[in-house]
Amino acid sequence: KAGVTQTPRYLIKTRGQQVTLSCSPISGHRSVSWYQQTPGQGLQFLFEYFSETQRNKGNFPGRFSGRQFSNSRSEMNVSTLELGDSALYLCASSLYRQGAAGANVLTFGAGSRLTVL
Amino acid sequence: AQSVTQLDSQVPVFEEAPVELRCNYSSSVSVYLFWYVQYPNQGLQLLLKYLSGSTLVKGINGFEAEFNKSQTSFHLRKPSVHISDTAEYFCAVTPGYSTLTFGKGTMLLVSP
Repeated sequence: KAGVTQTPRYLIKTRGQQVTLSCSPISGHRSVSWYQQTPGQGLQFLFEYFSETQRNKGNFPGRFSGRQFSNSRSEMNVSTLELGDSALYLCASSLYRQGAAGANVLTFGAGSRLTVL
Repeated sequence: AQSVTQLDSQVPVFEEAPVELRCNYSSSVSVYLFWYVQYPNQGLQLLLKYLSGSTLVKGINGFEAEFNKSQTSFHLRKPSVHISDTAEYFCAVTPGYSTLTFGKGTMLLVSP
């Protein structure tokens, strides 16, 4: 079974640009979550999508957005990039079934490392 | 809301020695607990999880953790570490849905 696939793995942007990151979940997984990892703030939750709907959102500015497609693939977008957006962006997927904790265990991808110059 | 405290940012240890990585959490509701490991330039890999049942949980690569509800702890242990265990370890909790709250991580440094 293929794991969670994130593209691109590495990218460099300049301040003010925008970026789109892609995530393909494990086949059959319907929930996709995004996390930002930085040395200073650690791992922080961005948002979660299930059946093309955003179920939860973390405390990030509106420049951070995402979406999920009907095949469960997800994208996240960051507009007007700032230096502080440099981070490893991790995508994770799960089966998700309400009340079934075992189905909600997250499997993570390798991440997309964004550098903003 | 939940919070996770990993008491040590770095734990140096010699190869074949035992190790314990500490994790304490705070939550007003019952939670599920996880340990993830991150090797350099990689994502997070699930080591083990506590969902219910026995409080002693065994995971991959010889790791185990014990859930202590009264002390709100979920410490990770390994009786004998290898050089290849050098990595960053993250403790995480969730009240039941997918969103995880992570600790700041503990860097395990194994030297020969």
